[in-house]
Amino acid sequence: GEDVEQHPSTLSVQEGDSAVIKCTYSDSASNYFPWYKQELGKGPQLIIDIRSNVGEKKDQRIAVTLNKTAKHFSLHITETQPEDSAVYFCAATGNQFYFGTGTSLTVIP
Amino acid sequence: NAGVTQTPKFRVLKTGQSMTLLCAQDMNHEYMYWYRQDPGMGLRLIHYSVGEGTTAKGEVPDGYNVSRLKKQNFLLGLESAAPSQTSVYFCASLWTSGKWPGELFFGEGSRLTVL
Repeated sequence: GEDVEQHPSTLSVQEGDSAVIKCTYSDSASNYFPWYKQELGKGPQLIIDIRSNVGEKKDQRIAVTLNKTAKHFSLHITETQPEDSAVYFCAATGNQFYFGTGTSLTVIP
Repeated sequence: NAGVTQTPKFRVLKTGQSMTLLCAQDMNHEYMYWYRQDPGMGLRLIHYSVGEGTTAKGEVPDGYNVSRLKKQNFLLGLESAAPSQTSVYFCASLWTSGKWPGELFFGEGSRLTVL
């Protein structure tokens, strides 16, 4: 199956700074790369996704970039706010969703 | 619109006991999944279903059984619970809009402790 690595496992930033989370995958057949946000005590929710025919996608303060050649993709959050504090999961998807191990982001007011 | 509902939310079991987790979705989704979430290991797929009456094994199926008798319900069973099955379990259903895949909708999780 697919092997997805996610770094860092924990990340602390000052409010207003940017945060970057990186993932790598192993299966070149994967073609869909979503990011999920999990708030404390809740289930994960989709925040942004990118397909393999696109290199970058942006939605307000969040953006995702994809480098298919290098098999890595990243989540960028700009102007971070305390409500961005959560656990973020990347996933690589072909026939199934394969999730990374998660990044716990803390935004310090 | 309730989305995906899991019951129970918390449960403590003794080793060897059995139990069933219930997942219900009201979005008419075909695909449903059971994941477990453990510290440092992310979300791992236990079993999934591509439609009513179907089930298939995921990445970590041992010790679990599932059933999908009705489209809206997906049950996860533990026949003889073990401490290694202490985890948070998430059910999800998949919305596809014609472009594979679509968005996973997760329940709020069921925290299971096996003593």
